[in-house]
Order: sequence, then C-alpha cells, then structure tokens
Amino acid sequence: GEDVEQSLFLSVREGDSSVINCTYTDSSSTYLYWYKQEPGAGLQLLTYIFSNMDMKQDQRLTVLLNKKDKHLSLRIADTQTGDSAIYFCAESFSGGYNKLIFGAGTRLAVHP
Amino acid sequence: EADIYQTPRYLVIGTGKKITLECSQTMGHDKMYWYQQDPGMELHLIHYSYGVNSTEKGDLSSESTVSRIRTEHFPLTLESARPSHTSQYLCASSEPGENTEAFFGQGTRLTVV
Repeated sequence: GEDVEQSLFLSVREGDSSVINCTYTDSSSTYLYWYKQEPGAGLQLLTYIFSNMDMKQDQRLTVLLNKKDKHLSLRIADTQTGDSAIYFCAESFSGGYNKLIFGAGTRLAVHP
Repeated sequence: EADIYQTPRYLVIGTGKKITLECSQTMGHDKMYWYQQDPGMELHLIHYSYGVNSTEKGDLSSESTVSRIRTEHFPLTLESARPSHTSQYLCASSEPGENTEAFFGQGTRLTVV
C-alpha cells in the first residue's frame, strides 16, 4: 500500500542545519517531493527528486534519497526564522492522474 | 505566485446546510484536485479531474461532489453539511505529465456546527 510517514515536530536554532526525514512504503513511486506550507497559505513546491537519483542540491536545500530503505530527507542549511513552516513529503506514481500521496507534515520551529 | 484561488477562506455553517467551496485557476491547467486535510494529518485526495467534464473520486471516500464545466473552475459541493465534514479543503491544479508541479490554493477551513 501507499503510506508516507514523517515526524511531526522539529525545533532548531537559527543558523543551524535542519534535517527533516520521511519514509515511504511504495517503491514504485517515480518522483518524491518536498512541499512547504506557511501559516494561512497553500502548499508550495520546494524541491523534488526523481526516484533514480540519490541526491539533489538546490541552494540551501539538499535532498537525499535512499531507495533501498525508502527514506527521503530534506536538509536546510543555515536555517532562518523564515523557514518556520510545515514541510510535507509526497510521492507520485507513473500513469494516471499525477497522484500525490502526502505525509502528515513536519512542523519546523526555528528559535533564536 | 500561484494563480489558484479558493473562496471562502473560512466558513462556519449549521448542520444540514448546502455549501459550495469555490476553486478557480487562471493557469489553463487541465488537471485539478481536491484534498482534505485534518490538523496534524496527511492530505487525502478526495476528487480529481483530468479536464472539462471529467471528475473522479480520490482515495478518501467523501460525501462531497464536484463538477468541471469549465477548465478554470472546479467547485466542491456538500448537499447537507455535518460536523464530520469539519476540515480544511485544499484545491490544486497541475499541467499534464508525470512530474509537474501541483499548485495549491490557500484552502478553505470549514466548520460545521
């Protein structure tokens, strides 16, 4: 079955790195995504990785994919207060209607 | 900035009322989706559409219905609201293809009393 799991909360100090983890169960996913949701706003795509890649870097963001363990992580370098938000991991599958399966989201709190 | 809009943002309504949640996008996207999100829980797909006159049920069973008469518009209707329908409803759209970004609206937070 399809299931995506994330820890619910993460608290980090400003300037430190944040690592948000996600595990998924369905190995047939084609793309894995990280979305960000700020208070009162919709979800915004942060970055994605194709399932045959193991790492992707985009400025302060680094995505690591361990397909064997079905583990995805998002590392945010030099975390800022503006990074405080809920981060959703999602996976999509080939064919059909671009189906996205979301985790419950990790609430990242950045403190001084 | 995503050009996808949902109204109302917040709605408190009595049990038994009929309600329609509006979703409009100006990007010309064929695919549109409705997700339901309870606090601290996953987003669950309840409806999707490939294009005009196409509507399908999602993974989570829902008593709501949708219509897609125009590309830009994908309203969701509850014929008789109940407290169990209290949730946040998120609308999204995307272009065709496997890896396309889904653009989300700001959501409608519905409370049925």
